[in-house]
Amino acid sequence: DTEVTQTPKHLVMGMTNKKSLKCEQHMGHRAMYWYKQKAKKPPELMFVYSYEKLSINESVPSRFSPECPNSSLLNLHLHALQPEDSALYLCASSLEDSYNSPLHFGNGTRLTVT
Amino acid sequence: EDQVTQSPEALRLQEGESSSLNCSYTVSGLRGLFWYRQDPGKGPEFLFTLYSAGEEKEKERLKATLTKKESFLHITAPKPEDSATYLCAVQARASGTYKYIFGTGTRLKVLA
Repeated sequence: DTEVTQTPKHLVMGMTNKKSLKCEQHMGHRAMYWYKQKAKKPPELMFVYSYEKLSINESVPSRFSPECPNSSLLNLHLHALQPEDSALYLCASSLEDSYNSPLHFGNGTRLTVT
Repeated sequence: EDQVTQSPEALRLQEGESSSLNCSYTVSGLRGLFWYRQDPGKGPEFLFTLYSAGEEKEKERLKATLTKKESFLHITAPKPEDSATYLCAVQARASGTYKYIFGTGTRLKVLA
């Protein structure tokens, strides 16, 4: 079991649906991340939150909307996705984004867009 | 441009056959190098952090080393349960903030 919990584990959605991915950590980490991972590829950074404020947006399309309600929770709101957005979406946390501490990942949400 | 390259891309070993995985990096302002293990359909699992050249870390059959340009993950007498993708990542300063840059991974298969 990981210390970063992601729900749901699997999600199938149509291109007109609105859905949300959720992530939770209770390690006291102040930086939280969303990554996207395609098969046989490394994780690709999407967003970074530091102390609940968005610090990095890697030019992600607006159909992905992140939210950090508090220091333990991170959401990713999805709307009008495309089939090519199908991937494993990983949440991670670290002590701080400016500190050389490792990322701790959840087990991801496997997203399929039909 | 900051870059992380892993080799080989894939590796098949017989059980007990020791080998090494390579992670070469070109970054400015390296703050740390991290090794992860990823099983299919799961998130990467943290293994080691290395901060400075000459540093070594060990965990069971795994040993990670770091030089100024590369890191090695040595696997001694591997078992089938060591089969996974091994990722390395570096933390480097970029545009006033810090980013983790991942290599493309080595897919390891250990045969019984």
